[in-house]
Amino acid sequence: GNSVTQMEGPVTLSEEAFLTINCTYTATGYPSLFWYVQYPGEGLQLLLKATKADDKGSNKGFEATYRKETTSFHLEKGSVQVSDSAVYFCALSDAVRYGGSQGNLIFGKGTKLSVKP
Amino acid sequence: EAQVTQNPRYLITVTGKKLTVTCSQNMNHEYMSWYRQDPGLGLRQIYYSMNVEVTDKGDVPEGYKVSRKEKRNFPLILESPSPNQTSLYFCASSSRVPNSNQPQHFGDGTRLSIL
Repeated sequence: GNSVTQMEGPVTLSEEAFLTINCTYTATGYPSLFWYVQYPGEGLQLLLKATKADDKGSNKGFEATYRKETTSFHLEKGSVQVSDSAVYFCALSDAVRYGGSQGNLIFGKGTKLSVKP
Repeated sequence: EAQVTQNPRYLITVTGKKLTVTCSQNMNHEYMSWYRQDPGLGLRQIYYSMNVEVTDKGDVPEGYKVSRKEKRNFPLILESPSPNQTSLYFCASSSRVPNSNQPQHFGDGTRLSIL
């Protein structure tokens, strides 16, 4: 079945450091890929998405490229800030299976990021 | 403002005492879903609903019930809660438009402790 594997945390970085959180997936067909962010005490928010191979999603300085050849969707940011401290979830949606809906998401286990001043 | 509202936000209760967590969305979304979040396990889907009166099991449905009598509401029911249902629960909704790029909107979560 479909699954998502992301690097285990926690990840602790200093402000302005480079961030990479690895995410790989297993899926049949052509899933859409997402990164969600969960700030302390809040629900998940969509950070960025990519719906087909070679698409690059970007938002708030974060980027991820849909790599079908390596089944990966790694999250990167060139210079992290303290305010980026959160839990990051990689997810996929098999829209074809669910009649085109992008609702059913399969999540990775989450990676906690702590950024120190 | 587009919102998914869950209530209560926090609840401590005892084994066997029926409880309901409500979820309401104001975006006229067809699709709604419940997840539980546990350390080291990420989010796992409990139940989902494609539309009114249409519900289906997710990955971890045991011990839970749901109903979808109205489009905006999707309550999660624990008929006889047990300690292994202690968790952080999230409700989410999205528009079910084919090939839509609409994201899934999440509530702020309900932390349940079953003693």
